[in-house]
Amino acid sequence: GQNIDQPTEMTATEGAIVQINCTYQTSGFNGLFWYQQHAGEAPTFLSYNVLDGLEEKGRFSSFLSRSKGYSYLLLKELQMKDSASYLCAVRDEGQGTGRRALTFGSGTRLQVQP
Amino acid sequence: GAVVSQHPSWVICKSGTSVKIECRSLDFQATTMFWYRQFPKQSLMLMATSNEGSKATYEQGVEKDKFLINHASLTLSTLTVTSAHPEDSSFYICSARDRDGTSGPSYEQYFGPGTRLTVT
Repeated sequence: GQNIDQPTEMTATEGAIVQINCTYQTSGFNGLFWYQQHAGEAPTFLSYNVLDGLEEKGRFSSFLSRSKGYSYLLLKELQMKDSASYLCAVRDEGQGTGRRALTFGSGTRLQVQP
Repeated sequence: GAVVSQHPSWVICKSGTSVKIECRSLDFQATTMFWYRQFPKQSLMLMATSNEGSKATYEQGVEKDKFLINHASLTLSTLTVTSAHPEDSSFYICSARDRDGTSGPSYEQYFGPGTRLTVT
């Protein structure tokens, strides 16, 4: 099974940097994803890590340490529109079934304040 | 880019009736589609994995006779909530993987816009 933990809520100031952590314990691992979800909308893909290290994409970066079961999403130069939930998700190996489904953490609600 | 649509976007039905939700991949073929459910202020919970041409795989605790899934083609999967009750009211989201990776990385899942179901 999969167990994914991330903080429930965070607050940050416009223009600042915020780091959202995610820890996981899984029976299999085939990649970690970060999604952004605004209320009432479907998740949108932000990043994917399968190897250790940092992946940078504009204002967003994601880090993975497989040995520690740890990832973080770093958001720079925060904007008001970044207020949303950020979901950490782990993909299993899908052995034999080709399943490769995502297991989501509970999500972190980020509130960006002026 | 890859686009997944869902229909309807919202539906209100009476308790005891059945509701069908469609999930379509518009510009790519998806051998695998996933159905998730999300209650307010909670994360997405996987309900089932839908494979084209075969029976769906349901997660533990999800009643297969209540949530009927049909994946008849490489671009369409349907979820039917049978004999709906108020506790089935939720946000239902599907996602699809691009089998050939033609619309983007093959590791990526593309999510539909979701269907909000309200059972009265």
